[in-house]
Amino acid sequence: QVRLEQSGPEMKKPGDSVNVSCKTSGYIFSTYGINWVRQAPGQGLEWMGWISPYTGNRNYAQKFEGRVAMTTETSTSTVYMELRGLRFDDTAVYYCVRGGPHSDTWADYWGQGTRVNVSS
Amino acid sequence: QAGLTQPPSVSSGLRQTATLTCTGTINDIGSRGAAWLQQRQGHPPRVLSYRNNRRPSGIPERFSASWTGNTASLTITGLQSEDEGDYYCSAWDTSLTYVLFGGGTKLTVL
Repeated sequence: QVRLEQSGPEMKKPGDSVNVSCKTSGYIFSTYGINWVRQAPGQGLEWMGWISPYTGNRNYAQKFEGRVAMTTETSTSTVYMELRGLRFDDTAVYYCVRGGPHSDTWADYWGQGTRVNVSS
Repeated sequence: QAGLTQPPSVSSGLRQTATLTCTGTINDIGSRGAAWLQQRQGHPPRVLSYRNNRRPSGIPERFSASWTGNTASLTITGLQSEDEGDYYCSAWDTSLTYVLFGGGTKLTVL
């Protein structure tokens, strides 16, 4: 069955970078885009961007341009999200989410979430 | 990239009906429809309805979505206590370059 397995929780300091992985299985990796969505404590969902494993194309939310990078590793069907220059308000649970803009089933599968805590 | 607009809270009685709304613009919901997500406390969101108003397998028929103009709606009939949680709408913009989320509606089943 389809699974999106994310890396474990992270504790970071302001200014650090964090790299979260999302290992996919149960489907053909290249056929679905992967999005990253985050949720700060007690807050709603925030879209960060997406990447197409097939074309390598990516789009990032304006808010994260210059600070985020999404990459894929086809050999392991894994997607990575790096966020640089961490701030206190980057403390959140980060989810990878399957589906691209042309997919009628966007958001059909979610990773379990990776908690990133930014603290001095 | 303004977000979609949802009422912060909705409440309705057990076995009653609740309707949640989500308002966007012609550049998102008006053109592409909206997906609906449910998030129970401590869990990742799960999709209840895709942008074409179809339900994933396993989602009860009690959940039905629609959209008219720039507004999407999710109607939940026969409310159960397990339906309590946060509900989010989401939509791709017409340029297909970003996703918008609503701020979420907290559903309380009385």
